[in-house]
Amino acid sequence: EAGVTQFPSHSVIEKGQTVTLRCDPISGHDNLYWYRRVMGKEIKFLLHFVKESKQDESGMPNNRFLAERTGGTYSTLKVQPAELEDSGVYFCASSPLGTEEKLFFGSGTQLSVL
Amino acid sequence: SQKIEQNSEALNIQEGKTATLTCNYTNYSPAYLQWYRQDPGRGPVFLLLIRENEKEKRKERLKVTFDTTLKQSLFHITASQPADSATYLCALDPKGGYQKVTFGTGTKLQVIP
Repeated sequence: EAGVTQFPSHSVIEKGQTVTLRCDPISGHDNLYWYRRVMGKEIKFLLHFVKESKQDESGMPNNRFLAERTGGTYSTLKVQPAELEDSGVYFCASSPLGTEEKLFFGSGTQLSVL
Repeated sequence: SQKIEQNSEALNIQEGKTATLTCNYTNYSPAYLQWYRQDPGRGPVFLLLIRENEKEKRKERLKVTFDTTLKQSLFHITASQPADSATYLCALDPKGGYQKVTFGTGTKLQVIP
């Protein structure tokens, strides 16, 4: 069974540019989450999808971040325009409905904004 | 404010010994407490979950305790092996099954052969 996959694994962009991160959850997992780890800090929740609906986006830093999950399959997280403080590792995780206790994480996207 | 504390310094132990990692929290009443393992360049991998009404849980060489009075969880790895070397994260879930979990910064464990 394929795990959670994230693309790209690394992204280096300049301040003001746009970046789109992609997450493919495990097939059949209706829950999809985005988390972020800024260097030296803990992993922090960004938002939660149930299928294509945003269940909770209270962790999104500001309106420069836009997450979508059209069709309830893969998800994208767009940062536009990127700022220096957006640098960090962005993790995606998924879980089946009814078993939300256990998260399956992807390997993350390392985003560097210069 | 809510705070989770894990040993920020690395923990070095000899192979075969028991490793004990600590997770303390304040201003929090978690329904669930989870432990994850993270290797460099990888995402966290779920290890164990313990509920607020459980005192202890075991899985193979792993044992987790949860003391809601002390607001502390201990994570033990018995008969440690070099392959156990990784960063271990504590995560608290306030509602149970909701997954807006709060993570600690993790403790890096190094098992020396």
